[in-house]
Amino acid sequence: GAVVSQHPSWVICKSGTSVKIECRSLDFQATTMFWYRQFPKQSLMLMATSNEGSKATYEQGVEKDKFLINHASLTLSTLTVTSAHPEDSSFYICSARGTASYGYTFGSGTRLTVV
Amino acid sequence: AQSVTQLGSHVSVSEGALVLLRCNYSSSVPPYLFWYVQYPNQGLQLLLKYTSAATLVKGINDFEAEFKKSETSFHLTKPSAHMSDAAEYFCAVSEGWDDKIIFGKGTRLHILP
Repeated sequence: GAVVSQHPSWVICKSGTSVKIECRSLDFQATTMFWYRQFPKQSLMLMATSNEGSKATYEQGVEKDKFLINHASLTLSTLTVTSAHPEDSSFYICSARGTASYGYTFGSGTRLTVV
Repeated sequence: AQSVTQLGSHVSVSEGALVLLRCNYSSSVPPYLFWYVQYPNQGLQLLLKYTSAATLVKGINDFEAEFKKSETSFHLTKPSAHMSDAAEYFCAVSEGWDDKIIFGKGTRLHILP
């Protein structure tokens, strides 16, 4: 079945630094990647949608200069949290969509803690 | 815009009892509907999905859900709860196979021994 690998699973960084999260589709081509953010005991909030080779489409209220998304290939998308602050601490999850037969597949998530 | 409402942020059932998690949706077009389960600090696992075929959808681990257009509902059920079912459950909606998925706020399922 479709597998999405997300790394790292957890990361701690200092305030002001940048962190990159990778999301790879291992056995299918992901034409579209979705990035979600989840605060403790809350739902998943869609941050942005990225199509391979195109600029990401960000949801209202999401700072595109802070959350940089790159989807340069059909198997890899990255989310970079720039100049991270403690309020950026959250659980980030990617989701990849390939052909209709695969539907949506979620990564295992990344727990980001900014200290 | 599409949305989902999950009734009850917490649901407790006894082991062996029926599980019922409620979900109502709003969509301007025939929706795609999903139920996902999330264990602590993990990603989401798809339980089942409705994509305009049979209205009664069977998923993994004996879960099933019924799409009722007249009630705009997609409630999740399981005949007999197991301790391992304790987790967070999310109902989600999409307005097309290539559209984004919007999640409900989730329901925490507690299983009582």
